[in-house]
Amino acid sequence: EIVLTQSPGTLSLSPGERATLSCRASQSVSSSYLAWYQQRPGQAPRLLIYGASKRATGIPDRFSGSGSGTDFTLTITRLEPEDFAVYYCQQYVNSPSLIFGGGTKVEIK
Amino acid sequence: QVQLVESGGGVVQPGRSLRLSCAASGFTFSSFGMHWVRQAPGKGLEWMAVIWYDESNKYYADSVKGRFTISRDNSKNTLYLQMNSLRVEDTAVYYCARDPSSTAAAGRGDYWGRGTLVTVSS
Repeated sequence: EIVLTQSPGTLSLSPGERATLSCRASQSVSSSYLAWYQQRPGQAPRLLIYGASKRATGIPDRFSGSGSGTDFTLTITRLEPEDFAVYYCQQYVNSPSLIFGGGTKVEIK
Repeated sequence: QVQLVESGGGVVQPGRSLRLSCAASGFTFSSFGMHWVRQAPGKGLEWMAVIWYDESNKYYADSVKGRFTISRDNSKNTLYLQMNSLRVEDTAVYYCARDPSSTAAAGRGDYWGRGTLVTVSS
């Protein structure tokens, strides 16, 4: 069973800073099925990135994804106030099912 | 625009049943696979079930297999989750999400509802 481990658990940064979030899979996974979501407090998850590096519709270009194999990264180049939220990575496995990481909270320092 | 609106949540006793609905609008509902995902209070996301566009295939997480049933009525643009034998640990916000693929082969949720809260408590 694939496990997705996200780190750090919490990232304390200031607006305008760069955020780098990690998602590590317990075994090699297909980058075609690696997605990232943002969840603001009290809101539903929002798809940011799919296929490891493709931005979803309407997502600003300050969000970018990269990686392959077991290591994936979500980067937010310059944090805006609305970017402080929890971020989840997710992998599709051919069970079929969706597996989510435990999340990284990006909080205001 | 794409809209998904869940309903049917509430407080229910352990062992009882509940049916959730997800009303879809703004897209051709019958062309897309659909997921249910839940989130326990203060916890992360947990995938529950998926259904193909034509209801021909359904898959479940082990934690709910045999207790939950996903279904859809394409004539009503509505997705359902029938939850039986509810347990305290089923307490969560339940979200429906659209998969970009008719057979959910894209393996992601590109649009999500705002969720409905289910509380299982005696």
